[in-house]
Amino acid sequence: ELKVEQNPLFLSMQEGKNYTIYCNYSTTSDRLYWYRQDPGKSLESLFVLLSNGAVKQEGRLMASLDTKARLSTLHITAAVHDLSATYFCAVANTGNQFYFGTGTSLTVIP
Amino acid sequence: ETGVTQSPTHLIKTRGQQVTLRCSSQSGHNTVSWYQQALGQGPQFIFQYYREEENGRGNFPPRFSGLQFPNYSSELNVNALELDDSALYLCASSLDASNYEQYFGPGTRLTVT
Repeated sequence: ELKVEQNPLFLSMQEGKNYTIYCNYSTTSDRLYWYRQDPGKSLESLFVLLSNGAVKQEGRLMASLDTKARLSTLHITAAVHDLSATYFCAVANTGNQFYFGTGTSLTVIP
Repeated sequence: ETGVTQSPTHLIKTRGQQVTLRCSSQSGHNTVSWYQQALGQGPQFIFQYYREEENGRGNFPPRFSGLQFPNYSSELNVNALELDDSALYLCASSLDASNYEQYFGPGTRLTVT
């Protein structure tokens, strides 16, 4: 079974600071997803990364994928309070079934 | 084009009971996947249905079963409920089994007492 690990599990950041969330996975996949989840809510799609070296940016978030290292990163630039949420990465197997990491709970402190 | 919908939003069941959760896929989507998300955890893949046939299953016991109907709506059935079945249940639809985009519904919060 495909294993997905995220770190850190909890992240407390001051507004204006930068930080990176890491996502490692255990077997070959060329599809990596990042989601945001607010408390009690469903998953909001942030990024879909489909190839080695893919980089996508939206606002203060930037995601990248290194399929050879089986690693994706989600970089947060100049954090603001509105970014407080839980972030999940997910990897799809060949059957298009998604395997999620344990999540990173981000709190941005004023 | 309507999004993925799930019903009910919340429900409370007693240990040993059975429950049915429902999902309406996004229009034109023939593939649906179900996930269980326990509190503080990431979603775990339960199973996937493609054109009314099971198309993959995660590490869940047989008391978790599903159906997909000709209109591509779907049900998740759980028999002999256990306390650990308390979770948010998410369904996600995709255009077909090979399409890389999955669209998640709002979820059903199940509490087992």
